[in-house]
Amino acid sequence: EAGVTQFPSHSVIEKGQTVTLRCDPISGHDNLYWYRRVMGKEIKFLLHFVKESKQDESGMPNNRFLAERTGGTYSTLKVQPAELEDSGVYFCASSQERTGTGLSGYTFGSGTRLTVV
Amino acid sequence: GDSVTQMEGPVTLSEEAFLTINCTYTATGYPSLFWYVQYPGEGLQLLLKATKADDKGSNKGFEATYRKETTSFHLEKGSVQVSDSAVYFCALNHAGTYKYIFGTGTRLKVLA
Repeated sequence: EAGVTQFPSHSVIEKGQTVTLRCDPISGHDNLYWYRRVMGKEIKFLLHFVKESKQDESGMPNNRFLAERTGGTYSTLKVQPAELEDSGVYFCASSQERTGTGLSGYTFGSGTRLTVV
Repeated sequence: GDSVTQMEGPVTLSEEAFLTINCTYTATGYPSLFWYVQYPGEGLQLLLKATKADDKGSNKGFEATYRKETTSFHLEKGSVQVSDSAVYFCALNHAGTYKYIFGTGTRLKVLA
């Protein structure tokens, strides 16, 4: 089975520009999660989708970040306008179960490394 | 709130050396504990987990024991290989929830 795919793998943009990250989950996985790792720090939860609905967006840093999952398939995370502190690696994950301790757990993508200059 | 603390890296070892990466946690209740690994250019992969006190998770020669008395889940391997070079993340999760709390990650570099 294909894994979780993220596009692009790297993105370098200037401060004030807009960037859109994309995540394609494993087919049939209703649950989709976004996490972020700012350089040298811990990986932090951003939000959770169940199908097309946002279940928890408590980790979204501010209103410059907008996540969507139209049709309950792939998801996008848009940053507009980007700031220097948004630089980091953005991970997407998907799962069949709602919980992270299920047999299949999460499957993570390889991440998008975003650099804002 | 819950948190996970890992030893700072990078850790550089020679092949066949013994590895320990320390991880301690602060959490309410009885979380499940995990080690994830990220190899270069790849996504995070579950390496091992333990769901209750004194459980030992193991995989690919790696082991970690859930120690409630010391709130620790240290990762060990008796003989590392060059192919073990990666970033290792300790994490916790409460049963019935979907949100992971991760540590900062520890980069391991194994030299031939």
